[in-house]
Amino acid sequence: DTGVSQNPRHKITKRGQNVTFRCDPISEHNRLYWYRQTLGQGPEFLTYFQNEAQLEKSRLLSDRFSAERPKGSFSTLEIQRTEQGDSAMYLCASSYQGRGTEAFFGQGTRLTVV
Amino acid sequence: DQQVKQNSPSLSVQEGRISILNCDYTNSMFDYFLWYKKYPAEGPTFLISISSIKDKNEDGRFTVFLNKSAKHLSLHIVPSQPGDSAVYFCAASAVGGTSYGKLTFGQGTILTVHP
Repeated sequence: DTGVSQNPRHKITKRGQNVTFRCDPISEHNRLYWYRQTLGQGPEFLTYFQNEAQLEKSRLLSDRFSAERPKGSFSTLEIQRTEQGDSAMYLCASSYQGRGTEAFFGQGTRLTVV
Repeated sequence: DQQVKQNSPSLSVQEGRISILNCDYTNSMFDYFLWYKKYPAEGPTFLISISSIKDKNEDGRFTVFLNKSAKHLSLHIVPSQPGDSAVYFCAASAVGGTSYGKLTFGQGTILTVHP
């Protein structure tokens, strides 16, 4: 399977703990995106990488959130000092650079903060 | 501000009939539009897209129509099948800069196709 892979699929954590999610994009894709989806809403953009450079961050991404993409391959999204409001599905997507290319999504990581 | 809106939270259709899902947008900078389908506990799956230079794109049972003057697009599924039952998201992408490819999504429409 050469699609976008996300790990873990589910994460339950206590409030105040740190969590880290991983995304492995489709290998030839140089763009990688993180989105967050809450119940009844569409995915909301969090941040975007082109190769290893983080080019845009949403104002939704507070200082507790940090994302990296070392060497332009896989990416990690870390949430520090988790809050109950962080509970959501975190989705990763990748695409080719270029106009009109669709993004392919992973299956997501479901985070529950208790 | 909700730049992409899907005003119908749900749609119920009989198998074999046409399903029409609607989407409105407000940002005139959007120039590429996509529809994604999502099953529970899975990520969105790309379905079909359309560039702003076109007003129609067809792929098998799926056709997307774009009305730029009305800032409206629709997805037609003909004939509808029970396996089409899912949440459908409309998404849009804006021109220029480093935001290429960043998608703004609507809230989704739950489609149920009854046998």
